[in-house]
Amino acid sequence: ETGVTQSPTHLIKTRGQQVTLRCSSQSGHNTVSWYQQALGQGPQFIFQYYREEENGRGNFPPRFSGLQFPNYSSELNVNALELDDSALYLCASSPDRGLGNTIYFGEGSWLTVV
Amino acid sequence: AQKITQTQPGMFVQEKEAVTLDCTYDTSDPSYGLFWYKQPSSGEMIFLIYQGSYDQQNATEGRYSLNFQKARKSANLVISASQLGDSAMYFCAMREIAYNFNKFYFGSGTKLNVKP
Repeated sequence: ETGVTQSPTHLIKTRGQQVTLRCSSQSGHNTVSWYQQALGQGPQFIFQYYREEENGRGNFPPRFSGLQFPNYSSELNVNALELDDSALYLCASSPDRGLGNTIYFGEGSWLTVV
Repeated sequence: AQKITQTQPGMFVQEKEAVTLDCTYDTSDPSYGLFWYKQPSSGEMIFLIYQGSYDQQNATEGRYSLNFQKARKSANLVISASQLGDSAMYFCAMREIAYNFNKFYFGSGTKLNVKP
């Protein structure tokens, strides 16, 4: 148990719709990062939020956006869903931008786009 | 070029034996961290072990050890005394310190099956 919780655990959306995924970080952690893991692949970095600001982004289009709240929980929003967005979305938290020895992952949200 | 390469899509090991999972990495950053994670079918990524690029000693955590060969840019995970519960996907990952945030690069993973 890492103390990082994500919701929902599974969901199915239709192409073109929008989705919001949620993440509660481990107590005391002010940094949240999001990863997309397609089937059979390793996770890919989407972006990171540190103290409510996005401070790093991977190669994902602007329709992937996020928020971080004062309690350091976070949301990942994906607009105009495409079939290729079907994946496991992992949230990870860490203290102080996490330039330490690890980041702590939640169990993920499985998104299927049909 | 791939930042992290894991060349073994699947591995079998007999219970109680040791197994080595291979990982090579590519970076020009002199300061970086190397990580191994275990991912059971539930999806959660479980942190196993960390090695910093300037660490002189190979990292160990219980039954896990990281065989760090800097000149060869390899960071193999060794699991001693395999247990049935070790059956899972294993991912090698790297973070370059040049980034001021947690951009981890992951390999494609190795599926480990432990046989009774």
